[in-house]
Amino acid sequence: DIVMTQSPDSLAVSLGERATINCKSSQSVLQSSNNKNFLAWYQQKPGQPPKLIINWASTRESGVSDRFSGSGSGTDFTLTISSLQAEDVAVYYCQQYYSTPLTFGQGTKVEIK
Amino acid sequence: EVQVVESGGGLVQPGGSLKLSCATSGFTFSGSVMHWVRQTSGKGLEWVGRIRTKANSYATAYVGAVEGRFIISRDDSKNTAYLQMNSLKIEDTAVYYCTTQNDDWGQGTLVTVSS
Repeated sequence: DIVMTQSPDSLAVSLGERATINCKSSQSVLQSSNNKNFLAWYQQKPGQPPKLIINWASTRESGVSDRFSGSGSGTDFTLTISSLQAEDVAVYYCQQYYSTPLTFGQGTKVEIK
Repeated sequence: EVQVVESGGGLVQPGGSLKLSCATSGFTFSGSVMHWVRQTSGKGLEWVGRIRTKANSYATAYVGAVEGRFIISRDDSKNTAYLQMNSLKIEDTAVYYCTTQNDDWGQGTLVTVSS
């Protein structure tokens, strides 16, 4: 199974400041045939199901704020929130869908400092 | 509008069985891979398994922790997916979500395994 490890487990950022979450996979999730990274980022707010915000490592879902961006390739990935807003407080998960079983990172809790 | 509604959760004793349902509408169910994902209280997310479409022989895959105990099925005529859970363990206690291949999620149904 591919193990997904996120860092940090939690972070507190001032409003308007940048938040950066890292995700590392135990093996590459880059498919060489199409040069696509099978990596997604989810946002989960309390009492709600997860919401997909980025897939293919860097493609924002429709309607997702451009404050959110994803980067990385192979085994190392980053989710960046460029200017943290109050509504961004949530737990963020990375997930690989390169191979079954699909696996999630342990989550990163983002709070306001 | 896509709707995904899980049901069938509840309290069950260790070793018992439970069958969850995932009723959907608003999209072509028969053409969608369907996934089950669970989340323990205050903890993270765990993918449980998925079922592919008829065109892909309704192939299933599971996480190791449930392999041999859980069975995912679907009824395309009812736009519904199912999760049959057998030999339940305390560690199976979680909110169980059903999701479509386009990442539409239900609100989840709580399964509690306890004596």
